Amino acid sequence: GDSVTQMEGPVTLSEEAFLTINCTYTATGYPSLFWYVQYPGEGLQLLLKATKADDKGSNKGFEATYRKETTSFHLEKGSVQVSDSAVYFCALRGNSGGSNYKLTFGKGTLLTVNP
Amino acid sequence: DAMVIQNPRYQVTQFGKPVTLSCSQTLNHNVMYWYQQKSSQAPKLLFHYYDKDFNNEADTPDNFQSRRPNTSFCFLDIRSPGLGDAAMYLCATSRESGGSNEQFFGPGTRLTVL
Repeated sequence: GDSVTQMEGPVTLSEEAFLTINCTYTATGYPSLFWYVQYPGEGLQLLLKATKADDKGSNKGFEATYRKETTSFHLEKGSVQVSDSAVYFCALRGNSGGSNYKLTFGKGTLLTVNP
Repeated sequence: DAMVIQNPRYQVTQFGKPVTLSCSQTLNHNVMYWYQQKSSQAPKLLFHYYDKDFNNEADTPDNFQSRRPNTSFCFLDIRSPGLGDAAMYLCATSRESGGSNEQFFGPGTRLTVL
């Protein structure tokens, strides 16, 4: 079945540092890929998405490129801020029939950014 | 703004006392989901409604049930909460068949079981 493997946390960075959170996936067909962010005590918010190979999703300075050859969707940001401190979830939505609208989540990566 | 609303945000119940969590949406999405999220874990899908069709996950305990009286509302009923049911419960929606297909989440209800 589908699966998502996400970089284990926690990740601690200083403000303005470069961020990478690795995400790789296993799926049949051509899944859609997502990054969700969860701030403390809140629900999940969609950060960015990509629906086909070589698509780049971007939002709020974050970027991720759908790499089918390496089955990856790594999240990057050039200069993190304290306000980026949150848990980040990589997720995929299958595209191989059946209940393909359900999301498969990675385990989440806690990011803490210090001033 | 169109959104997913969950009430209450915080719910305290006693061991074994039935509790109902509420979710409503103004997005007119046809699929509604309930997730359980325990501390430092990913959300775990409990069940979802695709239109009026209920779809239970294989490992969801019988203690958890759901109702969807209309397109906008969906309820999560926990018949006899145990200490292990303390968690954040997240509602989400999506539009299938012609929509953007992404899931939109509510803010969650934090359930405490005493």
